[in-house]
Amino acid sequence: DVKVTQSSRYLVKRTGEKVFLECVQDMDHENMFWYRQDPGLGLRLIYFSYDVKMKEKGDIPEGYSVSREKKERFSLILESASTNQTSMYLCASSLLGHGTDTQYFGPGTRLTVL
Amino acid sequence: DQQVKQNSPSLSVQEGRISILNCDYTNSMFDYFLWYKKYPAEGPTFLISISSIKDKNEDGRFTVFLNKSAKHLSLHIVPSQPGDSAVYFCAASSSSGSARQLTFGSGTQLTVLP
Repeated sequence: DVKVTQSSRYLVKRTGEKVFLECVQDMDHENMFWYRQDPGLGLRLIYFSYDVKMKEKGDIPEGYSVSREKKERFSLILESASTNQTSMYLCASSLLGHGTDTQYFGPGTRLTVL
Repeated sequence: DQQVKQNSPSLSVQEGRISILNCDYTNSMFDYFLWYKKYPAEGPTFLISISSIKDKNEDGRFTVFLNKSAKHLSLHIVPSQPGDSAVYFCAASSSSGSARQLTFGSGTQLTVLP
């Protein structure tokens, strides 16, 4: 069974703090993604990775960085959290290759920045 | 510039009737389309997909229709059940894109009334 897990369901941080969100998948997927979901805006892609140590910017990478040291783990880093980064963060993974676009999502992390 | 649009933020349907959720896209390079369902405080779950070589795909109560000339797809749920109440996202991808990125619409909140 497909499984994507995220380190925290709920997180509260202060402005200026460095924040780490962890994502682990057990499906041996090559691709991993980080999104944020905000009301009325749908899911917006922050960063993605198609291989270990590889990363590419998505649509809204500003204020974020990522790390992928192992195939199963993809971390999202907020270098200096700000209130406009309060959001639901979703991690996803998928197989590499045409016709395998289905992404499998974790349960999400609701981050509040005060 | 939204490449995938869901123009109805919400939809209410009586239990047992048909639910029709609509999605429009502007990028003619999109060749694979998916629908996801999302409950509050959970990650999106994959529902059904369709390749651009088809115009219809069916899975139980769920059918997706694709009209390439109109750049329009729809999800039909028959019969609708109260457990179907959730936010539905349509998504699209292009075989010319890297890592099979998905572009999501803003979502439609479906409420099925008992």
